[in-house]
Amino acid sequence: SAVISQKPSRDICQRGTSLTIQCQVDSQVTMMFWYRQQPGQSLTLIATANQGSEATYESGFVIDKFPISRPNLTFSTLTVSNMSPEDSSIYLCSGSQQARRLNTEAFFGQGTRLTVV
Amino acid sequence: QKEVEQNSGPLSVPEGAIASLNCTYSDRVSQSFFWYRQYSGKSPELIMSIYSNGDKEDGRFTAQLNKASQYVSLLIRDSQPSDSATYLCAVNIRNTGKLIFGQGTTLQVKP
Repeated sequence: SAVISQKPSRDICQRGTSLTIQCQVDSQVTMMFWYRQQPGQSLTLIATANQGSEATYESGFVIDKFPISRPNLTFSTLTVSNMSPEDSSIYLCSGSQQARRLNTEAFFGQGTRLTVV
Repeated sequence: QKEVEQNSGPLSVPEGAIASLNCTYSDRVSQSFFWYRQYSGKSPELIMSIYSNGDKEDGRFTAQLNKASQYVSLLIRDSQPSDSATYLCAVNIRNTGKLIFGQGTTLQVKP
């Protein structure tokens, strides 16, 4: 399985500011995703990070709020823009390889715990 | 109807017992199913994947899939206190490569 590293692991930010989270994979992966996990909740998919093109966002998430980059097959960033306390959450990067049919075993970084004050 | 549904629990079992975790999904096209374990404050860890109807065993874990009933389960035999965690069911929804997660079931194994 791929090893996924996220930076920062945690941060406390002022409302109205932006934070960029970096995700580095130790090998090339076909697909990369960003999830949010609010306190006591499960994982909600924010978007699919597409290499060399605009990310594909899920319902309820927009590019202006969560711009995403993926310049190559091993790296992606997620920016949380104009933050409010409601953005306080854990943000998780995920990578997966598609192997035979569409079997996608996804692995996760350690997450970024964001607190907005 | 949510795309992936789990009973949030908590499910409490005594040490050494079998823990049974269940998950249903709404999309009939989906072909790939996964169980993740998440300890408090940690990221999800993949423990089982299953793609075909029937049972798949890996050590103390058995995943079961019934596509006709749109049902996937995870059995943990000889449960240990270290198995206490939240278990997340995930579905490769409509075979897009995107994983959609259920709300997770909290398992408590009591010594």
